[in-house]
Amino acid sequence: SQQGEEDPQALSIQEGENATMNCSYKTSINNLQWYRQNSGRGLVHLILIRSNEREKHSGRLRVTLDTSKKSSSLLITASRAADTASYFCATDWAFSGGYNKLIFGAGTRLAVHP
Amino acid sequence: DAMVIQNPRYQVTQFGKPVTLSCSQTLNHNVMYWYQQKSSQAPKLLFHYYDKDFNNEADTPDNFQSRRPNTSFCFLDIRSPGLGDAAMYLCATSRGSLDSYEQYFGPGTRLTVT
Repeated sequence: SQQGEEDPQALSIQEGENATMNCSYKTSINNLQWYRQNSGRGLVHLILIRSNEREKHSGRLRVTLDTSKKSSSLLITASRAADTASYFCATDWAFSGGYNKLIFGAGTRLAVHP
Repeated sequence: DAMVIQNPRYQVTQFGKPVTLSCSQTLNHNVMYWYQQKSSQAPKLLFHYYDKDFNNEADTPDNFQSRRPNTSFCFLDIRSPGLGDAAMYLCATSRGSLDSYEQYFGPGTRLTVT
């Protein structure tokens, strides 16, 4: 079963508005990552937040992590039409060799209208 | 400057006819992953290689096999494709070290089974 569940499944906003997507997960994590996928393309890594961090920023992106609630949120400020994509959170299971595998949530489909 | 390359981008095969998808990387990463992504769903890990060490997910059907002849290349073989195997197949890589958990994805191969 999927580790992460995302909310909402779809979000439609106007350019300039902020978009907030939420992710919940079930078990303890080392890190949580957010990825973006344009229609019919591969995924692009956006940001990683470690389990001992509560908030992280990257440009117009702000990610929060609440390990007590097992949830994370991704905020995109001042959205643009080019932000239209699907956004996935991914929790990781670390292997002893120092690498991980990712378990993805179902994703939020964001549509930003000009 | 493509770092993870997948060929072909679109593949059509007939029911039961073996098909091979290929992935190559210029990042010299230790780990290569294959994911299956069906329409509007999360990517699902099929298997991965750490160097030459193959790791299969427990629920990956036997119909799916993989080969990694060298660091740069990895192949996904579907021995007898069924209609349910129609999906986007994503290849990804990661450095495989404790300080780097980001995965780098290729553009994907969309497989159609007729």
